[in-house]
Amino acid sequence: DTEVTQTPKHLVMGMTNKKSLKCEQHMGHRAMYWYKQKAKKPPELMFVYSYEKLSINESVPSRFSPECPNSSLLNLHLHALQPEDSALYLCASSQDNRGLQPQHFGDGTRLSIL
Amino acid sequence: GIQVEQSPPDLILQEGANSTLRCNFSDSVNNLQWFHQNPWGQLINLFYIPSGTKQNGRLSATTVATERYSLLYISSSQTTDSGVYFCAVEPPWGDSWGKLQFGAGTQVVVTP
Repeated sequence: DTEVTQTPKHLVMGMTNKKSLKCEQHMGHRAMYWYKQKAKKPPELMFVYSYEKLSINESVPSRFSPECPNSSLLNLHLHALQPEDSALYLCASSQDNRGLQPQHFGDGTRLSIL
Repeated sequence: GIQVEQSPPDLILQEGANSTLRCNFSDSVNNLQWFHQNPWGQLINLFYIPSGTKQNGRLSATTVATERYSLLYISSSQTTDSGVYFCAVEPPWGDSWGKLQFGAGTQVVVTP
């Protein structure tokens, strides 16, 4: 069992829907991450939160909106997504983002856009 | 950014065989991790190994930071070892802390 919990495990949505992905960790980590992984490709970083503040946005389209309400929780709000946004979305956490820390990944949410 | 190259891209093994996977990176790194992604998509942390050697059961890893490569050894492979093995590195620069850069992965298939 992973210590980073992601819900839902699967999500199918239309292009006009609004939905949210949720990620939770109780390891006391202060850095949290969202990654996107397309089939047969490696994960690609989307966002980094450090101490509940957004520290890195890898030029992600505004239809993806991250939120970190507290140190244990990370959300990814989705709106007006495109079919090419279908992918596995992975959340990770580490003690902080000052380097020299391993990242621990959740099991992911498999997202399909109709 | 840092370039991460993994070899071989694909590997087919018979159960019980040993193998070595390689990860080359183009610059010094703060962090190097090896992951196993199983067929269900779970990304499992195998090693955090910016330098030195570590062992965990049938798996071991060695990173030679000065020569910018890391090796992952799988001994007595089992069918459950099938999946994709990723190497990921983090640059040492302050504005890139937390930015794990993944290699393309090695697809491993272990046959009974």
